[in-house]
Amino acid sequence: AQSVTQLDSQVPVFEEAPVELRCNYSSSVSVYLFWYVQYPNQGLQLLLKYLSGSTLVKGINGFEAEFNKSQTSFHLRKPSVHISDTAEYFCAVRASGGATNKLIFGTGTLLAVQP
Amino acid sequence: DADVTQTPRNRITKTGKRIMLECSQTKGHDRMYWYRQDPGLGLRLIYYSFDVKDINKGEISDGYSVSRQAQAKFSLSLESAIPNQTALYFCATSDAGTSGIYEQYFGPGTRLTVT
Repeated sequence: AQSVTQLDSQVPVFEEAPVELRCNYSSSVSVYLFWYVQYPNQGLQLLLKYLSGSTLVKGINGFEAEFNKSQTSFHLRKPSVHISDTAEYFCAVRASGGATNKLIFGTGTLLAVQP
Repeated sequence: DADVTQTPRNRITKTGKRIMLECSQTKGHDRMYWYRQDPGLGLRLIYYSFDVKDINKGEISDGYSVSRQAQAKFSLSLESAIPNQTALYFCATSDAGTSGIYEQYFGPGTRLTVT
């Protein structure tokens, strides 16, 4: 079984500052990793995903994440945030093989960008 | 038009009432899912369906039932609603796509309040 831990429930940051949202996972098998964003009163939108290959993946809106297998982490970063990045961010994991493709979500991190 | 739609978007109901949440998709995907989101808990899987005749329980199916009326429609029912079913409910769809990884696409959510 897989599990995901997002230790930070809320991350306040000033506009134009860099940000890192942390995600650690646990799995006995190979995994795919995802970051989703949920803007206020909206559904979830895929930011980026790691399937295989390069450990640095780039997503939409200037976000990127790095897969670190030894540390079982998939932290999300952005060098300079905007007010419009204020949202809740969810890390998710699923096994890369098997018959099902159930996503296991973390508890979410609220990114609060202040002017 | 949105690819994954959910109706209603908001609903307030009383304890003991039966309620149905509906999900429709125009993406042509074979797989559909129902999740609930609670503050601090992330998203948890209620039911999922691989096709019209293949329906499976997720991690929190007690108190819920589903119906896959067609490939494009997947309904979630609460037979006798209780206050702790107050949550934000999301429908999602997926198929193998070009990568074969069954990326999930989410609807806008239904906010359900049980009084």
